[in-house]
Amino acid sequence: AQSVTQLGSHVSVSEGALVLLRCNYSSSVPPYLFWYVQYPNQGLQLLLKYTSAATLVKGINGFEAEFKKSETSFHLTKPSAHMSDAAEYFCAVIIFGNEKLTFGTGTRLTIIP
Amino acid sequence: DAGVTQSPTHLIKTRGQQVTLRCSPKSGHDTVSWYQQALGQGPQFIFQYYEEEERQRGNFPDRFSGHQFPNYSSELNVNALLLGDSALYLCASSTFTTGLMETQYFGPGTRLLVL
Repeated sequence: AQSVTQLGSHVSVSEGALVLLRCNYSSSVPPYLFWYVQYPNQGLQLLLKYTSAATLVKGINGFEAEFKKSETSFHLTKPSAHMSDAAEYFCAVIIFGNEKLTFGTGTRLTIIP
Repeated sequence: DAGVTQSPTHLIKTRGQQVTLRCSPKSGHDTVSWYQQALGQGPQFIFQYYEEEERQRGNFPDRFSGHQFPNYSSELNVNALLLGDSALYLCASSTFTTGLMETQYFGPGTRLLVL
């Protein structure tokens, strides 16, 4: 079975500072990995996805993530935080033959002015 | 290009009642998945429909059932509602391609409150 663990249920960063949201995965076969963002009272929006091509994946709104097999990690980063980045972020994994998304528990990102 | 739409946006029911939630997939998509997101939690997979049949099911009781129509839209039905069924119900659509895992796109959700 596949799973993801998001370290840190709450992360606060100052506006303009680096954003780092951590995600570690567990999978018996090569996974596809996703980051979704959820703004208050809204559904999930896809930020970026890893599908076994390039290990460094660029997404929307200046976010990127790097797949590191040796560390079983897929951390999300953004060089400079903006107030509009305040939201809940979810890491998710899917594997071939079991195409259901398995989500982490989420990380709430707060931006300090 | 219309994205995934869900109705209603909010719903209040009492324990023991039944509820039906609706989802229209993104244009060109033929697969619909349903997720339950309890407050403060990540979404949990309920089931997935393709070609009007349930392809996969998560760890949810039989009180949760679904249907997919020929136009690919879908319904989620929950019988004998419990207080613990209060959650945001999310629908996601994708295309089914053999040997590949297509990205799932989510709707805005239906927030269900059971009193």
